[in-house]
Amino acid sequence: DSGVTQTPKHLITATGQRVTLRCSPRSGDLSVYWYQQSLDQGLQFLIQYYNGEERAKGNILERFSAQQFPDLHSELNLSSLELGDSALYFCASSAGQGSYNEQFFGPGTRLTVL
Amino acid sequence: DAKTTQPPSMDCAEGRAANLPCNHSTISGNEYVYWYRQIHSQGPQYIIHGLKNNETNEMASLIITEDRKSSTLILPHATLRDTAVYYCIVRVDPLERYSGGSNYKLTFGKGTLLTVNP
Repeated sequence: DSGVTQTPKHLITATGQRVTLRCSPRSGDLSVYWYQQSLDQGLQFLIQYYNGEERAKGNILERFSAQQFPDLHSELNLSSLELGDSALYFCASSAGQGSYNEQFFGPGTRLTVL
Repeated sequence: DAKTTQPPSMDCAEGRAANLPCNHSTISGNEYVYWYRQIHSQGPQYIIHGLKNNETNEMASLIITEDRKSSTLILPHATLRDTAVYYCIVRVDPLERYSGGSNYKLTFGKGTLLTVNP
């Protein structure tokens, strides 16, 4: 158990819909990262937040957005869903500014768009 | 970040050492070598990292060649639970500042599927 929790574990929805994925980082971790893993693209970095502020963006679509709240949990919002958005979405966290060597990954949310 | 090259798959007998190679011929002086693994559909798990010296922890050993163009992850006594995809990642020192991007993200390649056989 990494200490990172993600909900829900599974999500099935239809094209055009909007969903929200939730992540709670390890206690004390200030950085949250979102990754997408699909069969054709592999594991890809989407976005990073540090203490409520966006720090870096990767291959995140404009239809996707994220935020980190004062209690440090994060949400990834996916809208106008397409079949190709079906994937595993992982959240990871790491300690504050002083330690980035290890990212702790959650169990993931499996999104299926029908 | 420099790119890495890993064999797509490897087999290992249970109880034997598993040696997973990684080529990173374009690595820069300020880039570290990291290893993560992902057991089927679970979140990736950090294993070890290093700059130029060999490193060892409770999970594995990391051997980096003197020219730093390649490395080997060694699982000394592989078990069935070590069956996973192993990712070799090269990343700049997260604490080093540079413009234009994040030092902190992990860029995963295709990795090596290690299958430990009984």
